[in-house]
Amino acid sequence: KQEVTQIPAALSVPEGENLVLNCSFTDSAIYNLQWFRQDPGKGLTSLLLIQSSQREQTSGRLNASLDKSSGRSTLYIAASQPGDSATYLCACGGPGTASKLTFGTGTRLQVTL
Amino acid sequence: DAGVTQSPTHLIKTRGQQVTLRCSPKSGHDTVSWYQQALGQGPQFIFQYYEEEERQRGNFPDRFSGHQFPNYSSELNVNALLLGDSALYLCASSLDIYNEQFFGPGTRLTVL
Repeated sequence: KQEVTQIPAALSVPEGENLVLNCSFTDSAIYNLQWFRQDPGKGLTSLLLIQSSQREQTSGRLNASLDKSSGRSTLYIAASQPGDSATYLCACGGPGTASKLTFGTGTRLQVTL
Repeated sequence: DAGVTQSPTHLIKTRGQQVTLRCSPKSGHDTVSWYQQALGQGPQFIFQYYEEEERQRGNFPDRFSGHQFPNYSSELNVNALLLGDSALYLCASSLDIYNEQFFGPGTRLTVL
């Protein structure tokens, strides 16, 4: 059974800092890995999707890496802004399908002025 | 192009009642998955529907059931509601079981 862990559970940083969020998973037979953002009481917004054959994906100030052999993914946020404050969730798809996601419990990020 | 839509937005029920939540997938998507997210937790997979059949199921009791219609929209039904069923229920759709999922805004269910 896949288990996904995210560390830290909460993080507070001043505006402008670069930061790294960590995600680890127990079963390397993943189909893909997605990072999501969730604002309080809202649905999930997909940030980055990494297929199992890929090592990283980039979108604007975000970069996500995937190391299946070690069961780890990181989300790097450059030059953080107050608007980045949200909960960030990582989710592993599979095995054999992208439509059954196993989520971590998230990292709650606060970017202060 | 409308994304994934869910109704209702909020719902309040009492223990023992039954509830039906609805989801319309993103245009062109034929696969729908449902997730339950308790407060402070990550979403948990309930089940997936493809070609009007339940294809995969998570660790949820039979009180949770669903349906997918020919237009690919879907319903989640929960019978004999418990206090512990209070959660945000999220629907996600995808082109097929191999592609990225897109999530709706969720339905907040409160069981009193």
